[in-house]
Amino acid sequence: KQEVTQIPAALSVPEGENLVLNCSFTDSAIYNLQWFRQDPGKGLTSLLLIQSSQREQTSGRLNASLDKSSGRSTLYIAASQPGDSATYLCAVKGNTPLVFGKGTRLSVIA
Amino acid sequence: NAGVTQTPKFQVLKTGQSMTLQCAQDMNHEYMSWYRQDPGMGLRLIHYSVGAGITDQGEVPNGYNVSRSTTEDFPLRLLSAAPSQTSVYFCASSPRTGAPYEQYFGPGTRLTVT
Repeated sequence: KQEVTQIPAALSVPEGENLVLNCSFTDSAIYNLQWFRQDPGKGLTSLLLIQSSQREQTSGRLNASLDKSSGRSTLYIAASQPGDSATYLCAVKGNTPLVFGKGTRLSVIA
Repeated sequence: NAGVTQTPKFQVLKTGQSMTLQCAQDMNHEYMSWYRQDPGMGLRLIHYSVGAGITDQGEVPNGYNVSRSTTEDFPLRLLSAAPSQTSVYFCASSPRTGAPYEQYFGPGTRLTVT
C-alpha cells in the first residue's frame, strides 16, 4: 500500500529565505507526483505536476524535483514571501488513486 | 470552463439525516473521485469512478454511496449522517485514470453533523 510522508509537519521562516519541503513515498511505481497548495478553509490549488519520467519541474519561484528510485520529491521555494504561507501537500498517482501526504504548514514571517 | 464545482459550500445536518453532496465537472473527464479531509488525517479517498456507470470504493467508503449516471456528475450520498462524518469533502476529476494526468479539485463542502 502506497504511503506518503511529508517532513516537516510545520515550518516557520523569515521572509526572503529559500526553503525546501520534503515528500517521500514507499512505492516507486508511480505515474506522477503532484504538489498542491491549500490556504486555510479553501480548496486545493495545483502547483506542479511531475511525470515519472521527469526529474524536475519549475514554475516561477517554485521548483519540484523527483527521484523516483529513492521515493523522494522536494519542493523548493525561492525568496519566500508572506503570501506563500499555506499548507503544501504532495500526492502520488500510481495504479491506485491519488494518495496524499498530510502536508507541511508553512508560515513566512514578514 | 467552470472546472469542478461542488454544492453546497456549507451544510449542517442532524445525526440520522441523509443528504447528497453534488459534484460536477465540465471538462469531459472520465475519472472522478471524492475525498474527505480531517485534521491530522490528511485527505482520504472515499469513492471513485473511472467512467459513467463504473464506481469503486476507496479507503473510507462506509456510510457513503455514489453513482455515476453521466460523465459530468458524481454525487456523494450520506445515508444516515453520523458525527464522525463531520469533515470537509472534496471532489476531484482527471481526464483518464491509470495515466499521467493532473487532478483538478473542487472548492470543497464543509459538513457538520450534530
